[in-house]
This record gives sequence, structure tokens and C-alpha cells, in this order.
Amino acid sequence: AQKITQTQPGMFVQEKEAVTLDCTYDTSDPSYGLFWYKQPSSGEMIFLIYQGSYDQQNATEGRYSLNFQKARKSANLVISASQLGDSAMYFCAMREGGNQAGTALIFGKGTTLSVSS
Amino acid sequence: EAGVTQFPSHSVIEKGQTVTLRCDPISGHDNLYWYRRVMGKEIKFLLHFVKESKQDESGMPNNRFLAERTGGTYSTLKVQPAELEDSGVYFCASSQDLRGGRWETQYFGPGTRLLVL
Repeated sequence: AQKITQTQPGMFVQEKEAVTLDCTYDTSDPSYGLFWYKQPSSGEMIFLIYQGSYDQQNATEGRYSLNFQKARKSANLVISASQLGDSAMYFCAMREGGNQAGTALIFGKGTTLSVSS
Repeated sequence: EAGVTQFPSHSVIEKGQTVTLRCDPISGHDNLYWYRRVMGKEIKFLLHFVKESKQDESGMPNNRFLAERTGGTYSTLKVQPAELEDSGVYFCASSQDLRGGRWETQYFGPGTRLLVL
């Protein structure tokens, strides 16, 4: 079974609108972290935001926020006030396990976001 | 501060040839990871170094892949002999020592696009 599911292959949004990129995860580990990365057409993977399973509040970083619903096992990325430069592929990823060094990230297949003017 | 760099950015080789990919992590980062994205699939973990030691190489597909990190600085990933199914994007990521922390952030390089013909 897939551990990280991103059901939206592509999303389209207009500038200045908000957009939600979906991510659901599957783990039996009580301690895990959830990450979002952005990959523009230039290819580099840019870290955006992180949420720990024990964090009480949803993570926010500027225009990015993570809508963490633990019971539903979802960690959706919300981008407010979209900009043309937000057009990219977005990956949701998870790390399982507690205080262990270097646990690998498990990635979803990604969602391509296109922002139009 | 310089980010993770990878060389070459692109490589086109014939089946049976050897290719060596290089990754320079962020200075001071003890953890170094290799990941791979095969066309249309998720990004998958290959292996993890802490300094010069291999901590986890459970994701290495077979013994045609050899990773090294002599001196605990840069790392190389050699594919010998290359097969068609090795085509994909190879990402390197690095992170700081996890001592005292639990959820380190992995910073990715731009990837090496490998095409085996």
C-alpha cells in the first residue's frame, strides 16, 4: 500500500487565489514527520514546510500552511495568494520513526500546480 | 551559504557503460542521502551516509550501484554497468547532525538526469 498519496496529478489556479494540494498518508507509527517540497521546472527540490505528528498547531511558513488532520491522516498544503512563481511540482513526504538518525523520506508522486494570470 | 550541488546535471550514456555522479552537501552537514526518481514513479530512497559511514543502504537496487563518501565530505554514486532501467533523476540531499533533535530537514540538490540508451 502507498504510504503517501497525492490524488491530484495537476491543479490549476489563478493568481492571488488560494489553493490546497492534497496529501494523505498511512503509518502505524505514532511518531512521524510530514514535509512538503517544491520542484520548479529548473529541477531543484526546495523545502517548504514541515509538521511533526505531535505538534499541536498547524505549521505555517509565510504563504504556506499545512492543514494537518491527524485523525484523517491528511496533511494538505495550502498556498495563499498564489503567484506565477508558484507554478511547480509539489511533493508530500513522510518520515517515520522516533529519535532515529537519518530515516529516509517517503514521497508521494507529486502534484503539478499551474498558476495563471 | 551554498546549497547541495550535484554534478553532472545531465548524463547520457549507453547501456553497459559506467557513470559516476557526484554530490557536494551543504558544508557541515554530516548526513547525506541519495534518492532516485524513475520516470512516472515516486522519488525513492537509495542510501544514507553519516559522515563517511553508510548507515542505511536498503534502497540500493543491486550491486551495480556503488556509493562512497571518502573523508565524509562529498559523495559519489557509481553505476557500473548501466542498464536501461537505471534512467531517471538522481537526487542528493543533506542534513545536519540529528543529535538532540528529531526531525531534521533534508535539503536537496538539483539532481542529475541520467539517460541510459
